[in-house]
Amino acid sequence: GQQVMQIPQYQHVQEGEDFTTYCNSSTTLSNIQWYKQRPGGHPVFLIQLVKSGEVKKQKRLTFQFGEAKKNSSLHITATQTTDVGTDFCASSNSGYALNFGKGTSLLVTP
Amino acid sequence: DAGVTQSPTHLIKTRGQQVTLRCSPKSGHDTVSWYQQALGQGPQFIFQYYEEEERQRGNFPDRFSGHQFPNYSSELNVNALLLGDSALYLCASSFFPKSTDTQYFGPGTRLTVL
Repeated sequence: GQQVMQIPQYQHVQEGEDFTTYCNSSTTLSNIQWYKQRPGGHPVFLIQLVKSGEVKKQKRLTFQFGEAKKNSSLHITATQTTDVGTDFCASSNSGYALNFGKGTSLLVTP
Repeated sequence: DAGVTQSPTHLIKTRGQQVTLRCSPKSGHDTVSWYQQALGQGPQFIFQYYEEEERQRGNFPDRFSGHQFPNYSSELNVNALLLGDSALYLCASSFFPKSTDTQYFGPGTRLTVL
């Protein structure tokens, strides 16, 4: 499968600060998906990127797919306490298995 | 429109026992994937079922088996449970041939092996 590595593993921010998590692969990815898992919950699909250099925004969230399709990032502007949870990137191969990174756990304190 | 449902929510078993977990996919979906999520880790792909057949399998031993029924629901069976099988088991559904698109995850079954 297409292995993806995420950094950082943990991030603690003050409410209002920005936050970025990175997803990297040694091989070219066919696509990248981002999921959010809130404490005690299950992964919830946020977005999929498929094109080189693609940038998509969802309110305070900005997702990027690198030009070489080997890395991706999720940037949250002005974090809120509701952003607490773990953000996962994942990539599929041949449309079947999703290979997840280990995730970045975000803690936001007021 | 019902989302993905899983049962039971929680389960406690002892080593050596067998367990069956159940999943009903989102309405309109015909493909079911199972994932194991250990504490503090990302979900790990177990296998995927489509048209009642296992289409792809991850790096899990034969103790893990599954089944898909004509109504697209699915079961995950784990035999000879080990302590290391304790995890959150997630079912995800999608619609083939758009399996590269959104996968909808269920709430999961929390399995504890003592």
